[in-house]
Amino acid sequence: DTAVSQTPKYLVTQMGNDKSIKCEQNLGHDTMYWYKQDSKKFLKIMFSYNNKELIINETVPNRFSPKSPDKAHLNLHINSLELGDSAVYFCASSQDLGNEQFFGPGTRLTVL
Amino acid sequence: AQSVTQLGSHVSVSEGALVLLRCNYSSSVPPYLFWYVQYPNQGLQLLLKYTTGATLVKGINGFEAEFKKSETSFHLTKPSAHMSDAAEYFCAVIGGSNYKLTFGKGTLLTVNP
Repeated sequence: DTAVSQTPKYLVTQMGNDKSIKCEQNLGHDTMYWYKQDSKKFLKIMFSYNNKELIINETVPNRFSPKSPDKAHLNLHINSLELGDSAVYFCASSQDLGNEQFFGPGTRLTVL
Repeated sequence: AQSVTQLGSHVSVSEGALVLLRCNYSSSVPPYLFWYVQYPNQGLQLLLKYTTGATLVKGINGFEAEFKKSETSFHLTKPSAHMSDAAEYFCAVIGGSNYKLTFGKGTLLTVNP
């Protein structure tokens, strides 16, 4: 059983398109996150939701919009994709804020 | 704001040798500290964590780390490297009221036969 799953695993698209990445966790956790890992492997948090409420919103362009329909899901929608959005995006979850986080397998986004 | 510094972006050891990956942190409050490992094209897996209590923590795959408050360090060690340990290792800290997990830039561990 996959604890944190993401779809798709790979996403190749053209500049200007709109795309979504889906994340689901079956751990019963209250908190979910999105991270971006750049080409140098640097990981940076983008968003955090606790009980469906936005807790952390880093300095991310407003083209990125997270949506949490329920505690088990946190999707990431990206409008007007740019070349610089190419990266690996990781979803994670934790029991609560401050607890260890469990990461999904990542979605490699390539913008052409 | 909290931060993490990992000394050495690349560490190379021989199989059977000691592994030492260095991590220093800064935090305005008592920190929670973590080590994660990332194998190629995979997500991150938790190796070990320190929150409170015993300062020497043991993790999976024979790794351990010691929290040293006076040195603001949380170095990761393993007595004997195995080929399967080759991966990217990330130190991370939660050190503020917003519970944000901040990562270091990672250390790539190479294990030579």
